[in-house]
Amino acid sequence: GAVVSQHPSWVICKSGTSVKIECRSLDFQATTMFWYRQFPKQSLMLMATSNEGSKATYEQGVEKDKFLINHASLTLSTLTVTSAHPEDSSFYICSARGRDRVRQETQYFGPGTRLLVL
Amino acid sequence: AQKITQTQPGMFVQEKEAVTLDCTYDTSDPSYGLFWYKQPSSGEMIFLIYQGSYDQQNATEGRYSLNFQKARKSANLVISASQLGDSAMYFCGLYNFNKFYFGSGTKLNVKP
Repeated sequence: GAVVSQHPSWVICKSGTSVKIECRSLDFQATTMFWYRQFPKQSLMLMATSNEGSKATYEQGVEKDKFLINHASLTLSTLTVTSAHPEDSSFYICSARGRDRVRQETQYFGPGTRLLVL
Repeated sequence: AQKITQTQPGMFVQEKEAVTLDCTYDTSDPSYGLFWYKQPSSGEMIFLIYQGSYDQQNATEGRYSLNFQKARKSANLVISASQLGDSAMYFCGLYNFNKFYFGSGTKLNVKP
């Protein structure tokens, strides 16, 4: 139980294009979803927190217009990297915190999406 | 301010031996949670163990145990009987006010 999926797992795009990453909780309802960014050999950096049906809360230094987050349902959140540039190349990981049968304090991570912008 | 510190960037352990990964934290809130996650080279984050700040006993999950010393604000992870598959990055995390904070990680290498 408590499975989170991400799609796509890999994406390569040209500079200037937009990329959408989906995060789904497959067997539980996610009241909160988190989006992280991780550079090689570094820790996870929280980008934003999204609650179902409300606007995402962005961490300081993260551009809201650059990284669009939508949490339309209790099982789906999307991150859109708009007008991607090479410096946006990174490993993006989502996580979900749920309710009911899963431990509410625990966040369950997706497998991550590797983005390479050429 | 919340802060997580992992002072060991890398660790080596012999297969079948126990190893302790250090983690200290700083928070002013009396209610918080502490986590450990494992990240193999594939990148996925695997939940290992959780300790609540009000839990009286140290958490244990199979070969993983969390040495929780509240007064010292430390939450060290102990892995018993190390296996080759334990080689990975390990992140300590703090949960507070609906946010998670991660340490810089410790890379564990298990030697055969």
